[in-house]
Amino acid sequence: DQQVKQNSPSLSVQEGRISILNCDYTNSMFDYFLWYKKYPAEGPTFLISISSIKDKNEDGRFTVFLNKSAKHLSLHIVPSQPGDSAVYFCAASLNYGQNFVFGPGTRLSVLP
Amino acid sequence: GEEVAQTPKHLVRGEGQKAKLYCAPIKGHSYVFWYQQVLKNEFKFLISFQNENVFDETGMPKERFSAKCLPNSPCSLEIQATKLEDSAVYFCASSQSRQTEAFFGQGTRLTVV
Repeated sequence: DQQVKQNSPSLSVQEGRISILNCDYTNSMFDYFLWYKKYPAEGPTFLISISSIKDKNEDGRFTVFLNKSAKHLSLHIVPSQPGDSAVYFCAASLNYGQNFVFGPGTRLSVLP
Repeated sequence: GEEVAQTPKHLVRGEGQKAKLYCAPIKGHSYVFWYQQVLKNEFKFLISFQNENVFDETGMPKERFSAKCLPNSPCSLEIQATKLEDSAVYFCASSQSRQTEAFFGQGTRLTVV
């Protein structure tokens, strides 16, 4: 049973436009959420996180939104750049990092 | 070090042989995590450590897999009597505390033939 879901396996966006990646979770006890970016043959790179006491966190071009009642979070990238093309993983944890549960990833392609 | 260092980068083992993977966490980080990624699918949590103590081992297969984090040594993940299904990329990550993000190494690709 997948506790963290990313229902879009892939997404294509034009350069300069907004990319929106979605993530849903089933365990209401999750209290810390992260987004990672992964290029082929590399380890995941941390992008941005949000705790359950917030509903938004912003870092440069990246903004994460959390809707606890819907058990949904999203990552917005504005403006999208070709270098953003990668697989994006959503992750969630209980008790702030005891164990991270990852979603299956969404492959983002930003077209020039 | 400033990054999580995993060795070796690639490891090939015949079925039934032992495999040992190493991970040096970022200096000052107290938590170490091991994940298994099979066929580019989602990451499967294996085990975590707080310093040299096992913190959470709910993902570790009961047989054949073991892990250690000893003082002044890289952490290790050992697989006894490897099977074909153990072929995967094994990632190690470390974090400063329970309330911060984890940083990942480049992974070790294990191929069991």
